[in-house]
Amino acid sequence: TQLLEQSPQFLSIQEGENLTVYCNSSSVFSSLQWYRQEPGEGPVLLVTVVTGGEVKKLKRLTFQFGDARKDSSLHITAAQTGDTGLYLCAGNTGGFKTIFGAGTRLFVKA
Amino acid sequence: DSGVTQTPKHLITATGQRVTLRCSPRSGDLSVYWYQQSLDQGLQFLIQYYNGEERAKGNILERFSAQQFPDLHSELNLSSLELGDSALYFCASSASGVGEKLFFGSGTQLSVL
Repeated sequence: TQLLEQSPQFLSIQEGENLTVYCNSSSVFSSLQWYRQEPGEGPVLLVTVVTGGEVKKLKRLTFQFGDARKDSSLHITAAQTGDTGLYLCAGNTGGFKTIFGAGTRLFVKA
Repeated sequence: DSGVTQTPKHLITATGQRVTLRCSPRSGDLSVYWYQQSLDQGLQFLIQYYNGEERAKGNILERFSAQQFPDLHSELNLSSLELGDSALYFCASSASGVGEKLFFGSGTQLSVL
């Protein structure tokens, strides 16, 4: 069974703080994606990582794919209230099925 | 706007009933995915179609069925509804359906009373 476990499940921080959320699996993924979902909307893709050890930056967000392609992390620097949302990782093992983790719900307080 | 259209946005029905959710993919996308999102179980993969054919199946109940039509729109049929079927149902589309970026619709909120 392919499972993606995300941690923490919930995170509440002050504006300006840094944070890291994690996505772990025992399966190897050919690609892994991070999505952000806001209330009442569908998830929106932030980044796709495909190479073990890959690091991608998107403004204040840094994404890393584990060397073994089984895990990933998302680091946010100097969080803003606009970063509030549900962060989902999604993995594909090379087939047609893309599975999602349960998500980390982030709340950034002003 | 993702380009994926889902209707209806909200649906309220009773146990035992049957409903149909509709999805129009982004222009040019051949693959359609259906996901169920509930508070305690996250985003669960139900089924995927590519150019009218079923490509992958996830945790889809036997009471649920789906199809993709020649014009590439898709419908998810939920029958003999139970209270536990209440959830957000998302449709997503992608160009070819293998590990690509998924574009999600805004979802259908189903409430079974």
